[in-house]
Amino acid sequence: GENVEQHPSTLSVQEGDSAVIKCTYSDSASNYFPWYKQELGKRPQLIIDIRSNVGEKKDQRIAVTLNKTAKHFSLHITETQPEDSAVYFCAASKGGQGFSFIFGKGTRLLVKP
Amino acid sequence: SQTIHQWPATLVQPVGSPLSLECTVEGTSNPNLYWYRQAAGRGLQLLFYSVGIGQISSEVPQNLSASRPQDRQFILSSKKLLLSDSGFYLCAWSLPPTGRYEQYFGPGTRLTVT
Repeated sequence: GENVEQHPSTLSVQEGDSAVIKCTYSDSASNYFPWYKQELGKRPQLIIDIRSNVGEKKDQRIAVTLNKTAKHFSLHITETQPEDSAVYFCAASKGGQGFSFIFGKGTRLLVKP
Repeated sequence: SQTIHQWPATLVQPVGSPLSLECTVEGTSNPNLYWYRQAAGRGLQLLFYSVGIGQISSEVPQNLSASRPQDRQFILSSKKLLLSDSGFYLCAWSLPPTGRYEQYFGPGTRLTVT
C-alpha cells in the first residue's frame, strides 16, 4: 500500500545551524505535500506545503523542496532557534483528490542553545 | 475566521465502556472533516473522513465508527472500548474540494482506556 518514509527520526542541532528532514513517498498520484510542526501535548500546526507542480517553496526560515521523479521531498530550516524544537511530520496526499493524507512517523528536532 | 472545537479535552474510560467524542467547526460551510488518532510517540493515522452530512469514509477497519449529523459536527464513537484505543484523537477540517487541500487540526482529546 501507499507509504511515506521520514528520516531522521531524531535530529539534534546547535542554535543557528540548519536542519533538514527528508521524506519519500510511494504513491505516484500524490500531488500535495504538507509539513506539520507539533509541540509537546499540542495539536499539529501546518507550517508549509507544496504542490506537485512546484519544485521549491520558501517562507522566511523554512523551505520545502520536491523531486517528483525521485518521489522525495524535504524540509529545510535555516538559522534554527530553540523554539523550533518540536516533532515535525511530513505527509503526502493519497491519490490526487487531497482528502486523505499519509503521514510520516515524525522527526523529533532538538535545537540546543 | 474558522475555529475548530473538540471535547472533552481529556477522558479516562474503562475497557468495555462506550465512547463519544465531538468535533465542531465554526466559520465555514460544508467543510471536509477528519478524525485522526495518534498513539503515544507515534505518527498520525487517519481513521475517518467526511465530505458531507451522512457521508463517512473509513480508512482503517476497527472498533470505532463516525457520524456527521450536521454540516459542521463530526462525532467519533465506540460501543466497547479496547485498551488499544488509547491515544490522542484529533479532528481536522479542510475547505470543500476546490483545490484547497490544507487540513487544520483541533486541540485534540487525550483518551486513556484503563
